[in-house]
Amino acid sequence: QQPVQSPQAVILREGEDAVINCSSSKALYSVHWYRQKHGEAPIFLMILLKGGEQKGHDKISASFNEKKQQSSLYLTASQLSYSGTYFCGTEILRGKLIFGQGTELSVKP
Amino acid sequence: DARVTQTPRHKVTEMGQEVTMRCQPILGHNTVFWYRQTMMQGLELLAYFRNRAPLDDSGMPKDRFSAEMPDATLATLKIQPSEPRDSAVYFCASGLVTGGGSHGYTFGSGTRLTVV
Repeated sequence: QQPVQSPQAVILREGEDAVINCSSSKALYSVHWYRQKHGEAPIFLMILLKGGEQKGHDKISASFNEKKQQSSLYLTASQLSYSGTYFCGTEILRGKLIFGQGTELSVKP
Repeated sequence: DARVTQTPRHKVTEMGQEVTMRCQPILGHNTVFWYRQTMMQGLELLAYFRNRAPLDDSGMPKDRFSAEMPDATLATLKIQPSEPRDSAVYFCASGLVTGGGSHGYTFGSGTRLTVV
């Protein structure tokens, strides 16, 4: 039931791009993306609804392929503030959100 | 900014003791979640409520955990008796779920539980 995220960890230099993938075996109502910094609560980034839409939030965007039950999070021109653990949450029943294991992103100067 | 309030922030207790964690969801949110976070298991869904009614508590060990929403401003998670393996950070989150779908959820700061 738990979605699978890849990669598990990624290290970037400032200004580099990254892609984080999230895959589910279940049909989904939506996909959520959250970022968590060490010792803090997860913070909501964006939600992708059925329909293959793509959303953006500053230089962070995401897509959702409903047929493949996959979502990808794109971070472009990464900044130091992007460091943290990124979680995808898959809505498998209306409102019920199950999280992947997370992808730890480190952005170095 | 509206926020989800959790108490206590930290709790150290001895094995066998009862632990109660509390959560005040954001006013107007109709869905409340309890998640547990550990290094090994990540963010696990323990239980969730819609309009105060429990929808799913299949993620909780039934013999020792219980979750309730006595009113719209309070959700509780109890562990009795507590065990060292319950040591984790427990997050409460709330959000608005309508017929049109869910919206982003807001997490509280968490309760860091240590059972010794």
